[in-house]
Amino acid sequence: DIQMTQSPSTLSASVGDRVTITCRASQSVGSWLAWYQQKPGKAPKLLIYQASSLESGVPSRFSGSGSGTGFTLTISSLQPDDFATYYCQQYYGYPYTFGQGTKLEIK
Amino acid sequence: EVQLVESGGGLVQPGGSLRLSCAASGFSFSSYSMTWVRQAPGKGLEWISYISSTSSTIYYADSVKGRFTLSRDNAKNSLYLQMNSLRAEDTAVYYCARGQGVWGKGTTVTVSS
Repeated sequence: DIQMTQSPSTLSASVGDRVTITCRASQSVGSWLAWYQQKPGKAPKLLIYQASSLESGVPSRFSGSGSGTGFTLTISSLQPDDFATYYCQQYYGYPYTFGQGTKLEIK
Repeated sequence: EVQLVESGGGLVQPGGSLRLSCAASGFSFSSYSMTWVRQAPGKGLEWISYISSTSSTIYYADSVKGRFTLSRDNAKNSLYLQMNSLRAEDTAVYYCARGQGVWGKGTTVTVSS
């Protein structure tokens, strides 16, 4: 199985900050990488697919980059609605594994 | 509107069985592969199963292999997850999903005596 490792596990930041979350795969997944946002009690929401493509309706302050084994999710200027937990997922090979999540907290 | 609605969750004793359903609407269900993902309380997301559009290919996570069976009825626009020999560690919210972008709201399964 492909292992996905996110860092950091928790991130404290303020409104207006630029933040970056990293996801590393145990083997190459090409660009088959998605990023999700999840709020308590809600289903995950797709933000980024194929490593860098912005899902329709997602604000442009979200961006993704990387390929192979290293990926990043960047939020250019944090908004109050962005405080949530973020997950990466590889969909290169089954099982489609997720990272352990990064909780973005208000500083 | 594209929509997935899960049902069938509940409280079940260890060793028991439960059948989850996922009703799809707003898109051509028979054209899409589908997956189930679960989330234990306070934990991260875990992919558990995949079924191709024609049911010709089905995959399971090792954690559920041999206990869970995924099926679909394209005539009824429905997806099913038969869960047998349930364990406490199967307690979770279960989501059905189409690809990466369409998710249901989830149904809660609690395995406890």
